[in-house]
Amino acid sequence: KNQVEQSPQSLIILEGKNCTLQCNYTVSPFSNLRWYKQDTGRGPVSLTIMTFSENTKSNGRYTATLDADTKQSSLHITASQLSDSASYICVVSARNYGQNFVFGPGTRLSVLP
Amino acid sequence: GAVVSQHPSWVICKSGTSVKIECRSLDFQATTMFWYRQFPKQSLMLMATSNEGSKATYEQGVEKDKFLINHASLTLSTLTVTSAHPEDSSFYICSAPHRDLRGYTFGSGTRLTVV
Repeated sequence: KNQVEQSPQSLIILEGKNCTLQCNYTVSPFSNLRWYKQDTGRGPVSLTIMTFSENTKSNGRYTATLDADTKQSSLHITASQLSDSASYICVVSARNYGQNFVFGPGTRLSVLP
Repeated sequence: GAVVSQHPSWVICKSGTSVKIECRSLDFQATTMFWYRQFPKQSLMLMATSNEGSKATYEQGVEKDKFLINHASLTLSTLTVTSAHPEDSSFYICSAPHRDLRGYTFGSGTRLTVV
């Protein structure tokens, strides 16, 4: 069964600190993996997209890693800001899969001053 | 580029009435539109997939007669919640793939409250 798991479920950190969010998946055959940021009451916004051959991709203070062998991805946030408070969703796409992509449950990040 | 405009952003309606939510692709043609529902502190759940010019495909457990989807043009897809009830209160989001299908753009979402 194609699944995406994320950990932790929620995370609280102080402003300026770094944090890492995890995503494990069983989606196969793998096509690509995306990290989205969803502010409360808003639609998700894409942060990064990674294909099988990509190990690391950065977008400002966000750095995503992908290990296709272990089917794990991480999203590292550097020097967190209050505006980073949001849900971060890992979405994995499979080739030839009816829905074409599977959503993780998300990690709720709260950055406190 | 690749913007999906969703309206309204929030709506409050009486139980038994119908509500229409629109999603427009502003700078690309959206032959496919995905419709999601999200309850508080939960992940997005796919409700249905609409394709321009054809009938929508609904996920298991989603009532097609209650959630009417129309995708009459390449830039507009609508979701109508008919005879809304309080349990339909949720956050509804649309998403459209674009270009080489590696990118998905989400609308800003619609907060529906049925009283």
